[in-house]
Amino acid sequence: NAGVTQTPKFRVLKTGQSMTLLCAQDMNHEYMYWYRQDPGMGLRLIHYSVGEGTTAKGEVPDGYNVSRLKKQNFLLGLESAAPSQTSVYFCASSRQGGGTEAFFGQGTRLTVV
Amino acid sequence: GQNIDQPTEMTATEGAIVQINCTYQTSGFNGLFWYQQHAGEAPTFLSYNVLDGLEEKGRFSSFLSRSKGYSYLLLKELQMKDSASYLCAVINNAGNMLTFGGGTRLMVKP
Repeated sequence: NAGVTQTPKFRVLKTGQSMTLLCAQDMNHEYMYWYRQDPGMGLRLIHYSVGEGTTAKGEVPDGYNVSRLKKQNFLLGLESAAPSQTSVYFCASSRQGGGTEAFFGQGTRLTVV
Repeated sequence: GQNIDQPTEMTATEGAIVQINCTYQTSGFNGLFWYQQHAGEAPTFLSYNVLDGLEEKGRFSSFLSRSKGYSYLLLKELQMKDSASYLCAVINNAGNMLTFGGGTRLMVKP
């Protein structure tokens, strides 16, 4: 059982380049989330989805877009990368909202130069 | 919005007990989570409290007081492997947004 898998694990981008981070879960979870983690700031929610075909903004959505075309996949896109987007990105999923446990992927370390 | 505060760092001795506090001010509340995160790894679930009181799970316990906007994570019989960051997080009323505090980095010394 793979759980939550993120691709890629590491990436270096030049300012202005675009890329897509892929998150896949095999637990049939309804909810999926994208977070970024920066030193001293904890995890901050970028976007989330409560089901296939739905997305919503989190705390820090600017500069990112997401899609949930299939229930098991949640994609995070950066259209024009900026150095401020250098961070570790975590995807998570949960069976439903509320008090259900969220399972996290191993993270993607992104550096924008 | 949500405002969640926890100490940045703590140090404790192997075999001892440590309490990590978390205070929150939120516009909506539907429960509080604690997660553990080892350096370079993903966060993993430790506990969930939605009602006031203490929840015990082995060496770890979590307490919640909703009226005070306060929670703590208690770690007993500390082991070196408990050196990690401990993240406090609050879920909103709608149950769709989990907001994290900055995390507390715990260092366990021999």
